[in-house]
Amino acid sequence: EVQLVESGGGLVKPGGSLRLSCAASGFTFSDVWTSWVRQAPGKGVEWVGRIKRKTDGGTTDYAAPVKGRFTISRDDSQNMVYLQMNSLKTEDTAVYYCTTDPGTSVKRGFDYWGQGTLVTVSS
Amino acid sequence: DIVMTQSPDSLAVSLGERATINCKSSQSLLSTSNNKNYLVWYQQRPGQPPKLLVYWASTRESGVPDRFSGSGSGTDFTLTISSLQAEDVAVYYCQQYYSPPLTFGQGTKVEI
Repeated sequence: EVQLVESGGGLVKPGGSLRLSCAASGFTFSDVWTSWVRQAPGKGVEWVGRIKRKTDGGTTDYAAPVKGRFTISRDDSQNMVYLQMNSLKTEDTAVYYCTTDPGTSVKRGFDYWGQGTLVTVSS
Repeated sequence: DIVMTQSPDSLAVSLGERATINCKSSQSLLSTSNNKNYLVWYQQRPGQPPKLLVYWASTRESGVPDRFSGSGSGTDFTLTISSLQAEDVAVYYCQQYYSPPLTFGQGTKVEI
């Protein structure tokens, strides 16, 4: 069974940092691209950024609101992906989801999602 | 950035009736290299993460009921629920994966 389990959320003050983790199981993690998607309370979903598999260069892309503040990394040996969030702002308050994308010519899209972890940025 | 605009923002449909959701992108999502539209649809039920319904604009994800269908090409796309069921009450999102940032539409809330 495919599972994605996020952890690391919590309450942090503006300007602070937080590191989210996502543990993957039930599939070959190194074969997929991974994205983080967030959802502010009562709002729509927003893509945060992604990291491609190593065979595609392991490159990262980010949304403009988080570029330069957030960093995505992966450890294929541990089936983990991370979201390092620095210089946090109140507008970063959201549930953060880890998702996977096959990233192939046969199929694209976020086919598996975790249950999310809540990040609250408040003084 | 590619802007995704959905319409309507919400709609109420009777059980068994058809629901139609539109999605328009600010630039074409059709790749000339493989003739595929880089557009997906998700369903998000209350308290749940989104669920992939359709990719390549019209390919249904495994396990998704055939009452869900996607259509369109270029900049205009549609998700149709042919016969609305109670479990289809949700917010539906389109998303482009043609180029980063991978933008979502604002969502369409479907109610009974």
